[in-house]
Amino acid sequence: QKEVEQNSGPLSVPEGAIASLNCTYSDRGSQSFFWYRQYSGKSPELIMSIYSNGDKEDGRFTAQLNKASQYVSLLIRDSQPSDSATYLCAVSSTNTGNQFYFGTGTSLTVIP
Amino acid sequence: GAVVSQHPSRVICKSGTSVKIECRSLDFQATTMFWYRQFPKQSLMLMATSNEGSKATYEQGVEKDKFLINHASLTLSTLTVTSAHPEDSSFYICSVATGSQETQYFGPGTRLLVL
Repeated sequence: QKEVEQNSGPLSVPEGAIASLNCTYSDRGSQSFFWYRQYSGKSPELIMSIYSNGDKEDGRFTAQLNKASQYVSLLIRDSQPSDSATYLCAVSSTNTGNQFYFGTGTSLTVIP
Repeated sequence: GAVVSQHPSRVICKSGTSVKIECRSLDFQATTMFWYRQFPKQSLMLMATSNEGSKATYEQGVEKDKFLINHASLTLSTLTVTSAHPEDSSFYICSVATGSQETQYFGPGTRLLVL
């Protein structure tokens, strides 16, 4: 069973603060890691992908991967009310045909 | 990334009828498309992997005779919910995978309500 765990939240942060979202996974063979943002009633949209240990930055977003500890995180700097959404962590591996395994998502609310 | 469309965006039908949902890859040829279902406040659940020119691969617990998938071209996959019942009411989302890491890009989704 491939498991991806996320704290369901809700996570509330004030506008301008850093939001930290965490995800752990069970399959050590996982190779690709993705963060998606899903607004209420909409489909997921890709925010970040990361494949190597360490940090990857894209604008206000930073993904962090630690394969030894089997966790991946997403930091959102200078959080904005428009960042309020559910964030889904997805993990895949060529060993499982690149099938995506999703966490249940973390609901983030940025308070103006 | 890939651009994916779905049609219709929203459908309401009576119990016992069949509903067809289209998923189109607009900017590249997709040999594989994925169909997901999402119930309120839950995560995405993979229903099946649609393969162009061959039979779809269904996940455990998904009835292949109820959820018919056809992937007749490299840009179009269809999901038909046959004899729909209220418990089939859900948000159906397709995706395509592209790139060396097979990143998935999602369509806008189809919200199905069965009365």
